Amino acid sequence: DVKVTQSSRYLVKRTGEKVFLECVQDMDHENMFWYRQDPGLGLRLIYFSYDVKMKEKGDIPEGYSVSREKKERFSLILESASTNQTSMYLCASSAPVVTTNEKLFFGSGTQLSVL
Amino acid sequence: GENVEQHPSTLSVQEGDSAVIKCTYSDSASNYFPWYKQELGKGPQLIIDIRSNVGEKKDQRIAVTLNKTAKHFSLHITETQPEDSAVYFCAASTPSGNNRLAFGKGNQVVVIP
Repeated sequence: DVKVTQSSRYLVKRTGEKVFLECVQDMDHENMFWYRQDPGLGLRLIYFSYDVKMKEKGDIPEGYSVSREKKERFSLILESASTNQTSMYLCASSAPVVTTNEKLFFGSGTQLSVL
Repeated sequence: GENVEQHPSTLSVQEGDSAVIKCTYSDSASNYFPWYKQELGKGPQLIIDIRSNVGEKKDQRIAVTLNKTAKHFSLHITETQPEDSAVYFCAASTPSGNNRLAFGKGNQVVVIP
């Protein structure tokens, strides 16, 4: 079974801190994604990556950056955390679209609270 | 870009009854429509999907129907069970491809024993 592992289930940080959310997948997937989930707003794409060292902005990239130094690892960075970034963060991975497999595999999420 | 809307936002059904969740999409070029189920404390998981060249797909108690003319697709759950209680997300793939999905806001389904 594909496993997408997010390093923390719950995280509490202070306003202005630099925050790293880590995600690792074990299926050699090229594509990796970061979403945030808020009540009533569904899943919104922050950033995604098709390959090592490649990144693309999603729908709400402001205040975030990402890093993909290795194929299996995709990190989300909050340069200076703010209270409006309190949310559930979900990482996902998938095989390349050329295989017609667009199935996303999600991690269990990291609930981040910024105080 | 693609806009996906889900209705209703919350659905309560008696155990054993059927549940139907409907989604509409805006981009007629969208060609892939998955449904994800999110149980409490877990990430979303794909439960069924359909492509634009097919009108209906069934997998045991769940089915998805697609109406390309009206630009809507629906999830049907028959003989609902307590374990069907979850949040369900529909999505549509944008024509730009590369696995970029536009998700709906989600439906909370509650199955009452």
